[in-house]
Amino acid sequence: DIQMTQSPSSLSASVGDRVTITCRASQSISNYLNWYQQKPGKAPKLLIYGASSLQSGVPSRFSGSGSGTDFTLTISSLQPEDLATYYCQQSYSTPLTFGGGTKVEIK
Amino acid sequence: QVQLVQSGAEVKKPGSSVKVSCKASGGTFSSYTISWVRQAPGQGLEWMGRIIPIPAIANYAQKFQGRVTITADKSTSTAYMELNSLISEDTAVYYCAGSTVGPYRVWGQGTQVTVSS
Repeated sequence: DIQMTQSPSSLSASVGDRVTITCRASQSISNYLNWYQQKPGKAPKLLIYGASSLQSGVPSRFSGSGSGTDFTLTISSLQPEDLATYYCQQSYSTPLTFGGGTKVEIK
Repeated sequence: QVQLVQSGAEVKKPGSSVKVSCKASGGTFSSYTISWVRQAPGQGLEWMGRIIPIPAIANYAQKFQGRVTITADKSTSTAYMELNSLISEDTAVYYCAGSTVGPYRVWGQGTQVTVSS
C-alpha cells in the first residue's frame, strides 16, 4: 500500500496569511494526487485534482503543486471560511489512501 | 452532475452486520465508480473499497477483505456497503463517494453507524 504523510498535522494562522501544507507519498504516484477540504460535520469536498488542477467553483486562492512523491497545497490568503481539515489522497493505485489530515485554525 | 443520498443512521450490536445504501440521482450511474470511505470519531479518512457498476467489479482494502461487501443495483442506481462481524471500532461515519476518473467529485452526506452493546 502507498502511505501518504501530511505535515503539519495542525496549524494556526491569521486571516490573510499564506498557508502551505505538504503531502509525501511512500512511492512515486506521478501526479495522481488530490486534495480535499472537510469542514466540521460535513462530507469532504474536492479542491484540487491531478496535483494542480483546480476543481470548478473552488476559489483561486487554493493551488496545488508537485509530482512524484512530494506535493503542496497552498492557500494564498487565508480566509475565515477556510477553517477546516485538509486531506491529500493518492489515486494512483488501490487502496486509494489518504493522508492523516491537516487541521487549519484561524488565529 | 450526479448526487448521492445515503440511508439513515444505524445502531448495531457487536457481532452483527450493517448494510448502508447510496442512491444516485441526476446523472448516469453506470459512469461512476462508487467508493466507500469511513471516518471514526476524531480520526481521518479511511478507504474501504469501491465498485465499478458495469461490469460490477469490486475491490477492497486488505484490512476489510472478507468482512465487507460492496454491491451495486443498476436498476435502482443504488450502491450498497455491507460490513459484517461488527466491533466497537467500526463506529464511524460511512461515506460513499463517486468518481468518473480519479478524484471524488461527489460525496454522499454520510451515515453514522454506532456499534454498542
